[in-house]
Amino acid sequence: GAVVSQHPSRVICKSGTSVKIECRSLDFQATTMFWYRQFPKQSLMLMATSNEGSKATYEQGVEKDKFLINHASLTLSTLTVTSAHPEDSSFYICSVSGTNEKLFFGSGTQLSVL
Amino acid sequence: QKEVEQNSGPLSVPEGAIASLNCTYSDRGSQSFFWYRQYSGKSPELIMSIYSNGDKEDGRFTAQLNKASQYVSLLIRDSQPSDSATYLCAAFGGATNKLIFGTGTLLAVQP
Repeated sequence: GAVVSQHPSRVICKSGTSVKIECRSLDFQATTMFWYRQFPKQSLMLMATSNEGSKATYEQGVEKDKFLINHASLTLSTLTVTSAHPEDSSFYICSVSGTNEKLFFGSGTQLSVL
Repeated sequence: QKEVEQNSGPLSVPEGAIASLNCTYSDRGSQSFFWYRQYSGKSPELIMSIYSNGDKEDGRFTAQLNKASQYVSLLIRDSQPSDSATYLCAAFGGATNKLIFGTGTLLAVQP
C-alpha cells in the first residue's frame, strides 16, 4: 500500500491562530489526496478532495475559506486551518487513494485549540 | 438512515475466540467494501477489501459480502488482545462515488 507521511502529529494553538498540516505521499505520485476529520467516538468525515494543480473540492458544510488546501505537487498537500477556534479541535487525517479505491492514511494530526 | 451502519459495541470476546463484526450499507450501487482497524489516537489501517459476493480470507481475517442483503462482515479468528481496536467498515461507489465510513465497532479482546 501507499506510504503517507503527515506532520505535525499533535498541535496545540491559541484561538484565532492558523495551523498548517502537511501530508506527503512518499512512494508514489498522488494527483488526488483526501482530507478527513474525526471527532471523538465518531466516524471519519470527508472534508475535501485535494487535486494537484487545481482547486480543492469541498464537501457540503465545510468552509473553503477556513480550511485552505494547497496541492502544489504530486507528493504534497497541505491543509491550513485559519483563525482556529475551539470547535475546530479534532483529529485531522489525510489519505491517498491506491488501486481499487483503497485509501491509505497518514498518521493524523490531533489539533487542540485553546 | 445512515449510509453505512455498524453496532458501536463494545464487542467483548475472550482471547482465542472468533470475533464477528457486522456492517450494513444503504446504497445498492456500492461496489467496493473495506475494513479498517483504528487504535485509539491513531489513524485507520486497511486490513481487508472485498469486491464480490462471498468470502475472502487473509490470515486470521475473513471478510464476507452479501450484496443482496447489503451486508458486510469481518471475522477475526483466534482473537488476540492486540486486536482490541475500533473496526471501521467503509463502502465505495453508488450515488456519491465516495468512500463512506461507518462509525465503527469497538472490539475488546479479554486475555
